[in-house]
Amino acid sequence: QKEVEQNSGPLSVPEGAIASLNCTYSDRGSQSFFWYRQYSGKSPELIMFIYSNGDKEDGRFTAQLNKASQYVSLLIRDSQPSDSATYLCAVHGSSNTGKLIFGQGTTLQVKP
Amino acid sequence: NAGVMQNPRHLVRRRGQEARLRCSPMKGHSHVYWYRQLPEEGLKFMVYLQKENIIDESGMPKERFSAEFPKEGPSILRIQQVVRGDSAAYFCASSERERAEQFFGPGTRLTVL
Repeated sequence: QKEVEQNSGPLSVPEGAIASLNCTYSDRGSQSFFWYRQYSGKSPELIMFIYSNGDKEDGRFTAQLNKASQYVSLLIRDSQPSDSATYLCAVHGSSNTGKLIFGQGTTLQVKP
Repeated sequence: NAGVMQNPRHLVRRRGQEARLRCSPMKGHSHVYWYRQLPEEGLKFMVYLQKENIIDESGMPKERFSAEFPKEGPSILRIQQVVRGDSAAYFCASSERERAEQFFGPGTRLTVL
C-alpha cells in the first residue's frame, strides 16, 4: 500500500463545475496535509494546507480532512480552464521529520 | 525576489561528470528540502537540511549523492559521476520551521547525455 494515494485521472469537468480531488494516506498519525498545484513543466505551488478535521475554505478552494477515515480532499468551485493542472496531495507523517510524502497526483482537465 | 531560488534552471552533463545544483531559501527560512521528480513519476523526498546540519537524508541514494547547507551561501546538492538515470527535475523547497508549509523553487532540470 502506498503511503499517499491519489487517483491519477484525468478528471475532466466542464467549466463552472465543482472539481473534487481525493487523497488517502496510510499513516494514521499523520498531522499536516497539503495540496499543491503543478502545471506541466513547472514547480509545485502550494494552494491549501489543513491540520484539523473539518473544512478549510480559501476563495474557490476548500480542503476537507477526515482523520478517522484517513482521507483528505480538495474541492474547486467554479472551475476554470486555468485550473487544468496536476494536483498533488502531500502529508507530513507521524514519525518522520519535515519531509513531505507526495501522492502521484491527479490530473484535472477543465473544458470550456 | 523573495521566493526560493534555484540555479541553474537547466543543466546538461555527460555521463561521469559532476552536477552541482544550488538553492537559496526564501528570506527568513532556515529549513531546506530537496526533492526529485523523475519523468512521469511523483515527487520523492531526498534530504532535509538546516544550516550546517543534515537532519534527514533517508531519501538520498547511498552513493554519488551529497548535500550541504553551509552557514553562508546556498544549499548545494551534488551528484558525482552522473548516469542517465539521474536525469530528472530537482526541486528545492524551504520552510520557516520544521513541519511548516514548504514553498518550492523553480527547479533544476538535469539532463545526462
